[in-house]
Amino acid sequence: AQSVTQLDSQVPVFEEAPVELRCNYSSSVSVYLFWYVQYPNQGLQLLLKYLSGSTLVKGINGFEAEFNKSQTSFHLRKPSVHISDTAEYFCAASGGYQKVTFGTGTKLQVIP
Amino acid sequence: DTGVSQDPRHKITKRGQNVTFRCDPISEHNRLYWYRQTLGQGPEFLTYFQNEAQLEKSRLLSDRFSAERPKGSFSTLEIQRTEQGDSAMYLCASSLRVGLQETQYFGPGTRLLVL
Repeated sequence: AQSVTQLDSQVPVFEEAPVELRCNYSSSVSVYLFWYVQYPNQGLQLLLKYLSGSTLVKGINGFEAEFNKSQTSFHLRKPSVHISDTAEYFCAASGGYQKVTFGTGTKLQVIP
Repeated sequence: DTGVSQDPRHKITKRGQNVTFRCDPISEHNRLYWYRQTLGQGPEFLTYFQNEAQLEKSRLLSDRFSAERPKGSFSTLEIQRTEQGDSAMYLCASSLRVGLQETQYFGPGTRLLVL
């Protein structure tokens, strides 16, 4: 079974500063990786996904993530955050079928 | 809007009552998932359907929980004799599996509060 670790439960960052949200996953023969964003009292919105191909994945809202197989990581980055990026971010992994395993989430707090 | 929809968005009930939630997936998606999310946690898998067949159930899904997808389209999740520990956000997701690749799209969730 997959496991996903998000070590940072909260990340405060000033507006227009860069941010990196960390995610590590347990290795598997094949793994598909996702980042979702959740705004208060809402469901999850897909930010980006890695299924195969290029290890640098670009998503919506200016976010990108890099798949690093040797470090079993899939960190999320944005070069300049905006107040509207304040939300909770979930990293998730799948073995290619069936259920997705989620991390415990990282709350991004953008400070004006 | 052709995304995943869930109804109701909020439900308050008294302990011991039964509740039923509905999920309407994206129309061409053949897979439908239910997750539960408690405060401060990521979503936890409950069960999933491929078309109308329920293919897997988590150990989290006690026998008070039942899910159906009778015609392979919408799904319902029923909780009988609710307990305070059932208070959570219940999320539905749907997907279309293509080969080995699959991306799940989530609905807005139903937030349940058991008093």
